[in-house]
Amino acid sequence: DTAVSQTPKYLVTQMGNDKSIKCEQNLGHDTMYWYKQDSKKFLKIMFSYNNKELIINETVPNRFSPKSPDKAHLNLHINSLELGDSAVYFCASSQDYIQGPPTDTQYFGPGTRLTVL
Amino acid sequence: AQKITQTQPGMFVQEKEAVTLDCTYDTSDPSYGLFWYKQPSSGEMIFLIYQGSYDQQNATEGRYSLNFQKARKSANLVISASQLGDSAMYFCAMTRRDTGNQFYFGTGTSLTVIP
Repeated sequence: DTAVSQTPKYLVTQMGNDKSIKCEQNLGHDTMYWYKQDSKKFLKIMFSYNNKELIINETVPNRFSPKSPDKAHLNLHINSLELGDSAVYFCASSQDYIQGPPTDTQYFGPGTRLTVL
Repeated sequence: AQKITQTQPGMFVQEKEAVTLDCTYDTSDPSYGLFWYKQPSSGEMIFLIYQGSYDQQNATEGRYSLNFQKARKSANLVISASQLGDSAMYFCAMTRRDTGNQFYFGTGTSLTVIP
């Protein structure tokens, strides 16, 4: 079984549309993340949720809204899509340990390639 | 300020040879973790190896080893006996307690293994 899954794998849409990307993890992890990978392959954190609570919210347009119905799911909704939103979006999860050095390996989903026309 | 630096945008290695991918990091927090991920052309991010800041020995996982030099703040990935399937992008990443375990990724190194 896939540990972190995302749907869809590819998403092609017109400018101005609203779209969602779904993410599910079956690892029992407490924390989930969304990353954006641009055309130069740079990975940047967008959001982080711990047990359904927003932890990290980097400087991301408010057209992007994460939603976590439970700790196994973190969906990303994007309103009014723009050309610059074209990228690969990765979901990831980790089990955060409070004590000791951070050993919280993040496990990534397969990515969703979003193309805005 | 850049927290993770990978200075080699592209590297080439002959099949069966060893290759070292460089990574330096910046932190004053004594508690941190360092990771390497592989991204093949298919796009998925694959976890390779982890090194904790308090670990006394360099981490090893099969053909992968991490050359951890704490004083120099470097965490280079060594791949021994390169295979054609090792051709991919490699990302170094760091997580720190003082930033809520947020991951910081380097810009990546593209490795090409030549037959």
